[in-house]
Amino acid sequence: DADVTQTPRNRITKTGKRIMLECSQTKGHDRMYWYRQDPGLGLRLIYYSFDVKDINKGEISDGYSVSRQAQAKFSLSLESAIPNQTALYFCATSDLFGDQETQYFGPGTRLLVL
Amino acid sequence: GQNIDQPTEMTATEGAIVQINCTYQTSGFNGLFWYQQHAGEAPTFLSYNVLDGLEEKGRFSSFLSRSKGYSYLLLKELQMKDSASYLCAVRDSNYQLIWGAGTKLIIKP
Repeated sequence: DADVTQTPRNRITKTGKRIMLECSQTKGHDRMYWYRQDPGLGLRLIYYSFDVKDINKGEISDGYSVSRQAQAKFSLSLESAIPNQTALYFCATSDLFGDQETQYFGPGTRLLVL
Repeated sequence: GQNIDQPTEMTATEGAIVQINCTYQTSGFNGLFWYQQHAGEAPTFLSYNVLDGLEEKGRFSSFLSRSKGYSYLLLKELQMKDSASYLCAVRDSNYQLIWGAGTKLIIKP
């Protein structure tokens, strides 16, 4: 079984709809992240969480919200979807080994907003 | 602003060697990472450099020069399965990862 899972894998929605993307991990990591990836751009950080009580905005948090329901679960919501939120969304977890923090990514969710 | 630059696309021949460069300008430096991403898949970790010099891991090596804000990923004995995008990321002074747009590597027989 995959260590980091995302649901749904693909989603088509309409402008103005509220949607939630879910992420679960079995790696036991405290740190979790949500990114979006657009063609020609690097991964951009939306939100991150270092533990259940810790939520932080990333580079592009406007229009998004998150919930850390448990150590293993981190959900991303689009309160009112708009077409420029069409992108590939990745959840990631990380561990810290000495100085090195390696991120482990889920398979991604392709979102199309019409 | 913070910036990571990598070539958009490179082409190489199976069995050859290719070097993918990455230059960065970030607010602080706390390590540089290389990830591999096959089309339609998640990025996977390749290498980490925090000190100047070369880190070798099998067919892949990564080099860092902090004074020049420069790194490269060297892939030897290229195989068709190495066709992928290679992402450079730098951890800044706030320990946040800043990602480059990635270099798409095309391997030809």
